[in-house]
Amino acid sequence: RKEVEQDPGPFNVPEGATVAFNCTYSNSASQSFFWYRQDCRKEPKLLMSVYSSGNEDGRFTAQLNRASQYISLLIRDSKLSDSATYLCVVNRRSGGYQKVTFGTGTKLQVIP
Amino acid sequence: DGGITQSPKYLFRKEGQNVTLSCEQNLNHDAMYWYRQDPGQGLRLIYYSQIVNDFQKGDIAEGYSVSREKKESFPLTVTSAQKNPTAFYLCASSPIAGDYNEQFFGPGTRLTVL
Repeated sequence: RKEVEQDPGPFNVPEGATVAFNCTYSNSASQSFFWYRQDCRKEPKLLMSVYSSGNEDGRFTAQLNRASQYISLLIRDSKLSDSATYLCVVNRRSGGYQKVTFGTGTKLQVIP
Repeated sequence: DGGITQSPKYLFRKEGQNVTLSCEQNLNHDAMYWYRQDPGQGLRLIYYSQIVNDFQKGDIAEGYSVSREKKESFPLTVTSAQKNPTAFYLCASSPIAGDYNEQFFGPGTRLTVL
């Protein structure tokens, strides 16, 4: 089983729709969580960190469920510019080092 | 401006040649990472370093080598032993202190081996 799993999509949604992605992780010792956005042929960029209490940034809401070991990203009022691949990232300590694991990403296409 | 630079953006090499990819950061970050991304796939960790003169193998280190002689620099050498080197290579850095250590990425180098 992969340490971090995401539905690859693509999720094709109309402008203005609400869309949600989940990401599951297998190691219960995971400590911190992030969502990154990657545009085609570009580097990933941090979208938001995911805190235990959940957090919101404008149209984006991230949630963490430690009991079920998943994080989620909700995008409201989708814009064409939201079209990208969304990567889930999970950090944990391993042997004194920080181990960072990326999911393979979920592709979102917002259509007019 | 603080950030991470990678050079070159595109690189072409003949099969059997070693090639070194540059990564420099002026963010004063302790940790640096190299990833490889293949079309339609996620990022796979090649090597990472949390302090100068120390580095650890990631999930796909075979055929690659790194050095960390300076805090700012973490070059990656793709050797002739790497069987399928054509890929998009991304360098990242992050501070170490604290759990929420987001990674900042450079623009990447697209390596094509002919």
